Amino acid sequence: SAVISQKPSRDICQRGTSLTIQCQVDSQVTMMFWYRQQPGQSLTLIATANQGSEATYESGFVIDKFPISRPNLTFSTLTVSNMSPEDSSIYLCSVLGQGMQTQYFGPGTRLLVL
Amino acid sequence: DAKTTQPTSMDCAEGRAANLPCNHSTISGNEYVYWYRQIHSQGPQYIIHGLKNNETNEMASLIITEDRKSSTLILPHATLRDTAVYYCIVRVGDNAGNMLTFGGGTRLMVKP
Repeated sequence: SAVISQKPSRDICQRGTSLTIQCQVDSQVTMMFWYRQQPGQSLTLIATANQGSEATYESGFVIDKFPISRPNLTFSTLTVSNMSPEDSSIYLCSVLGQGMQTQYFGPGTRLLVL
Repeated sequence: DAKTTQPTSMDCAEGRAANLPCNHSTISGNEYVYWYRQIHSQGPQYIIHGLKNNETNEMASLIITEDRKSSTLILPHATLRDTAVYYCIVRVGDNAGNMLTFGGGTRLMVKP
């Protein structure tokens, strides 16, 4: 498995602002993913963070709204841009690496947009 | 990836076995069955996975039917801390880079 940390753990933001969420893994991993979990809902994949290239976004998610960086094999950031109350969700980082039998998840970042 | 169908919610008495069913009638031969759970306010936690044989670990047992169209996750002695949403997911490959797609899950309530 992997130890995954996310910063911040929670935040309250004003509409129109942006927030960058960090994901740090304790070992090098092949793949990193970002998920969103809206209140009372299941998890939805936002994108796959690719090292050295642009992230791969799922249908309904765009780079301008959710820019993602992955500078190395242990770190990624997700930015939620120009936030609105509809962006209030839990944002989760997930990883998959060599020798791992499946994906593992970080603790999540709880975002409330007022 | 194949879709799964799970009951929306279930109750279980503390100390009894919790049996959580999952239907995946369109599963392909190379798709595995994974179970995760999400305790309130935490990230999803991996429980167990299998291809066609029954599997057991320190957390749970996974029973997959011979035709692989359904499976059951068994928590042998449920505790209050097992109260969570349980997700059954089918996915191609064992470590092939295919990401997990989550359905609605089953909300398990373990009661004293």
